[in-house]
Amino acid sequence: DAKTTQPPSMDCAEGRAANLPCNHSTISGNEYVYWYRQIHSQGPQYIIHGLKNNETNEMASLIITEDRKSSTLILPHATLRDTAVYYCIVRGDMDSNYQLIWGAGTKLIIKP
Amino acid sequence: NAGVMQNPRHLVRRRGQEARLRCSPMKGHSHVYWYRQLPEEGLKFMVYLQKENIIDESGMPKERFSAEFPKEGPSILRIQQVVRGDSAAYFCASSQTGGIGEKLFFGSGTQLSVL
Repeated sequence: DAKTTQPPSMDCAEGRAANLPCNHSTISGNEYVYWYRQIHSQGPQYIIHGLKNNETNEMASLIITEDRKSSTLILPHATLRDTAVYYCIVRGDMDSNYQLIWGAGTKLIIKP
Repeated sequence: NAGVMQNPRHLVRRRGQEARLRCSPMKGHSHVYWYRQLPEEGLKFMVYLQKENIIDESGMPKERFSAEFPKEGPSILRIQQVVRGDSAAYFCASSQTGGIGEKLFFGSGTQLSVL
């Protein structure tokens, strides 16, 4: 079973920031938070991951709460091409990425 | 540098036939992973292979399913005597090494439909 809880769907206006929440209340100290997305009819694409600190890359920012029980993926200026299912996944530091347990994710729809 | 290539993109089979799904990893990658995805669900791990070796097949059904990754050529996921429940999207991923934290790169998948 997935260790994370995400809303099943969200809408966001094009050009605005998309904030995707994820609850991982049972996360342990050595577990990472990973985000992937899957555009329709394509394979998953890695976005970002973090342990404790907030992270930012060219795709997104990841904000992890101080107690690490939840996180938010931020797409700063959403475009129509960001419409996809977004998966938040927790991974132990001794687990390989291929062992990630995928939930149903959040279906993000960017509206013009 | 081509990404992970899967073919065919769509495969239609009648019940009882065999399905062969192919995956060519990214150049320089020697680790391949297969996943299955049902509609509205996340990916489910099936098998992890390195050249000529099965590393982890804990997600593979015990019967009818097999996978190989020969020294030369693509990785093959083979489903014998397909049933309607095998209808799903099958994704392949590859990585350069099998190390912890190693990033996986996914192909676009094969959509298998069993009539």
